[in-house]
Amino acid sequence: QKEVEQNSGPLSVPEGAIASLNCTYSDRGSQSFFWYRQYSGKSPELIMFIYSNGDKEDGRFTAQLNKASQYVSLLIRDSQPSDSATYLCAVSYNFNKFYFGSGTKLNVKP
Amino acid sequence: EAQVTQNPRYLITVTGKKLTVTCSQNMNHEYMSWYRQDPGLGLRQIYYSMNVEVTDKGDVPEGYKVSRKEKRNFPLILESPSPNQTSLYFCASSLSGDGPSGANVLTFGAGSRLTVL
Repeated sequence: QKEVEQNSGPLSVPEGAIASLNCTYSDRGSQSFFWYRQYSGKSPELIMFIYSNGDKEDGRFTAQLNKASQYVSLLIRDSQPSDSATYLCAVSYNFNKFYFGSGTKLNVKP
Repeated sequence: EAQVTQNPRYLITVTGKKLTVTCSQNMNHEYMSWYRQDPGLGLRQIYYSMNVEVTDKGDVPEGYKVSRKEKRNFPLILESPSPNQTSLYFCASSLSGDGPSGANVLTFGAGSRLTVL
């Protein structure tokens, strides 16, 4: 059974702070890694994807992947109240099978 | 507008009454897939399709059927729904299911909330 683990939260940070979201996965054969954001009652939308070890930055978001430790994280700099949502970590095996964590709820306080 | 369209968005039905949830995408995507989302369990993959007439099981396929007769459509069929299939269902598509090029980034539909009594 391939598992993706996330802390369910809620993670509360003040506006302007850095939010750090973490995810571990069980299958060393996993090949691609995604962070999706899901607002309440809405569908998931892509924040970032990463395939290689190291950091990938896009605006206020940085994804970090460590395949040896089977760990992927998402940093959100200068957090805004509009970032308040549930963040889903997803792992792809063979590029066509997807496994999702149960999500971390982020609250950004004004 | 590029999108994945699911219908119905909301459905209440009774045990054993066959139903179909439709999914259509207008992005010429090769890969399509279905997920169910339950509290505390996250999204779980039901079935996926790499292309027309090519489908395969995901993690939780029991009680579901799919078909891919056209590239744009990927309906989810519940032949005999049961209360444990009450859930929020999402259809998603991506350019392809191959390779680490960003081509397998999923675009999700708006979701279909199904209640089976």
